[in-house]
Amino acid sequence: NAGVTQTPKFRILKIGQSMTLQCTQDMNHNYMYWYRQDPGMGLKLIYYSVGAGITDKGEVPNGYNVSRSTTEDFPLRLELAAPSQTSVYFCASRRMQETQYFGPGTRLLVL
Amino acid sequence: DAKTTQPTSMDCAEGRAANLPCNHSTISGNEYVYWYRQIHSQGPQYIIHGLKNNETNEMASLIITEDRKSSTLILPHATLRDTAVYYCIVRVDPGGSNYKLTFGKGTLLTVNP
Repeated sequence: NAGVTQTPKFRILKIGQSMTLQCTQDMNHNYMYWYRQDPGMGLKLIYYSVGAGITDKGEVPNGYNVSRSTTEDFPLRLELAAPSQTSVYFCASRRMQETQYFGPGTRLLVL
Repeated sequence: DAKTTQPTSMDCAEGRAANLPCNHSTISGNEYVYWYRQIHSQGPQYIIHGLKNNETNEMASLIITEDRKSSTLILPHATLRDTAVYYCIVRVDPGGSNYKLTFGKGTLLTVNP
């Protein structure tokens, strides 16, 4: 198993641009999560999903959108990038009764 | 979720035991103590969790006080690769559909040669 994979690893965006951060897991996990981590801080939950077709907001959802059309994929969409969205983004997944497995992260710089 | 308090940073000599403390004085009876770590530039990695009994796995041991208001993560023989930020998280059992992890700033453990 590859586990949780994320693409791209690094991206620079201009203010106002849009992009999609990809997350895929091959463990058949029901639950998937998106976190962001600002420098020197802990992780903050953006969105999560409990299964295909079901998503919900976390602590900091503003400026982001998600979709979950399949069990494997949970993309995170930034519509109008702002400097405040400069961060490292982590995707995670889990099966019921288990802990979360994290991907390697995507570093995003908005200039 | 109960709030946790951890030291900002700690040092440990390579080969020695690393003991990382965590205070969670407002923990509820159904809340577990979880430990994750994050090596620089990588995603967090699960280490161990427990409710009230001490737990041990291939990575670490978790000692929870009898009143459950604090706990200690023990890395028995720290190596340079154990240098990371360690997060102590208190959360209800992960069986629920809204199971989420709340990460604080954690403890930066530096293992020195």
